[in-house]
Amino acid sequence: AQSVTQLDSQVPVFEEAPVELRCNYSSSVSVYLFWYVQYPNQGLQLLLKYLSGSTLVKGINGFEAEFNKSQTSFHLRKPSVHISDTAEYFCAVSSRSMNQFYFGTGTSLTVIP
Amino acid sequence: DAGVIQSPRHEVTEMGQEVTLRCKPISGHDYLFWYRQTMMRGLELLIYFNNNVPIDDSGMPEDRFSAKMPNASFSTLKIQPSEPRDSAVYFCASNRDRGLGEQFFGPGTRLTVL
Repeated sequence: AQSVTQLDSQVPVFEEAPVELRCNYSSSVSVYLFWYVQYPNQGLQLLLKYLSGSTLVKGINGFEAEFNKSQTSFHLRKPSVHISDTAEYFCAVSSRSMNQFYFGTGTSLTVIP
Repeated sequence: DAGVIQSPRHEVTEMGQEVTLRCKPISGHDYLFWYRQTMMRGLELLIYFNNNVPIDDSGMPEDRFSAKMPNASFSTLKIQPSEPRDSAVYFCASNRDRGLGEQFFGPGTRLTVL
């Protein structure tokens, strides 16, 4: 069975500080991993995805994530956050053999001026 | 491309009334997903379709919920009768490859059942 755990439900961080949002997954098969962002009153949009190849994935808005197979993690990072990064962030896992995406419970990132 | 279109954006209704939510997926996408988002349960997959056929409806909470996809460009999620606990944001998403590709989400319908 597959599952996704986002370890932090809320992350406050000061503007221009670095941030890391943690995501761990469990799966018995090869997986594909995603990070989505949801701004207030909007739908989810893709930040970045890992399908294969380089374990360091770069996405939109300066975000990046690193796939670590041994630790079954896919943490999201940004070296310097902006006020506009305040949003809900969701990690998701999928694979060829799965019949759906599995989303984590989300991490609410609040950037403090 | 207009993206995934959902209507209405907001719906307020009274308990016991029928509610119909609508979704138009992105053209060429043959998978369509309905999700529900609440503070308590987070994001839940209700049902998904492939080529207009329902594949997995195990997430549909109870018989009051039903979903249809009469053609490739239109889907509905119906709640009859509605209850206050159905209040949530309902998202529709579509993609070409459920296991591999990005899912494209609509803006959601915020449902309030009084």
